Amino acid sequence: AQRVTQPEKLLSVFKGAPVELKCNYSYSGSPELFWYVQYSRQRLQLLLRHISRESIKGFTADLNKGETSFHLKKPFAQEEDSAMYYCALRNTGFQKLVFGTGTRLLVSP
Amino acid sequence: GAVVSQHPSRVICKSGTSVKIECRSLDFQATTMFWYRQFPKQSLMLMATSNEGSKATYEQGVEKDKFLINHASLTLSTLTVTSAHPEDSSFYICSAERTGYEQYFGPGTRLTVT
Repeated sequence: AQRVTQPEKLLSVFKGAPVELKCNYSYSGSPELFWYVQYSRQRLQLLLRHISRESIKGFTADLNKGETSFHLKKPFAQEEDSAMYYCALRNTGFQKLVFGTGTRLLVSP
Repeated sequence: GAVVSQHPSRVICKSGTSVKIECRSLDFQATTMFWYRQFPKQSLMLMATSNEGSKATYEQGVEKDKFLINHASLTLSTLTVTSAHPEDSSFYICSAERTGYEQYFGPGTRLTVT
């Protein structure tokens, strides 16, 4: 079965510190991985997807098939990065997304 | 572009009544819409996948007779919670998929059953 694990419920860092939000998945096929973000009182929105291999708002994520991980990283956290982050997986060729439990990132000044 | 709306944003209903939640894609056509449920401080749980003009596909454990989904047009899907009970109180979120793009999420509907 497809499963996404985000081991940290809360990650608290100071402004300017590096950030890494962990995401591990279990899936036997070839999945697509995503990171979604939900800022306070806003809707869920796509942050980045592994197939695009781009950096959004300074965040990057590399798919490591050997470790079945898709960790989200940013070298220097900003206060405006404080939000709820969800890692999600989709079976290639299908539409259904499976979400992790989410990690709340809190960036303090 | 790619905005998804939900109506109502909040609804309170009495136990035993039914409530309908609408999900609209405002500026694109969505052949597929999804309905999620989110409990406090928990992740989104997919309830069903709704394809325009066909029956919805429900996830295991979701009662299709209780959560009626209709996707009558390319811009509108509705979720009706029938004979609601307090345990149905939750945050319901829809998303719409634009073909070849990502899923775009609605702002959610807070349902409280008293």
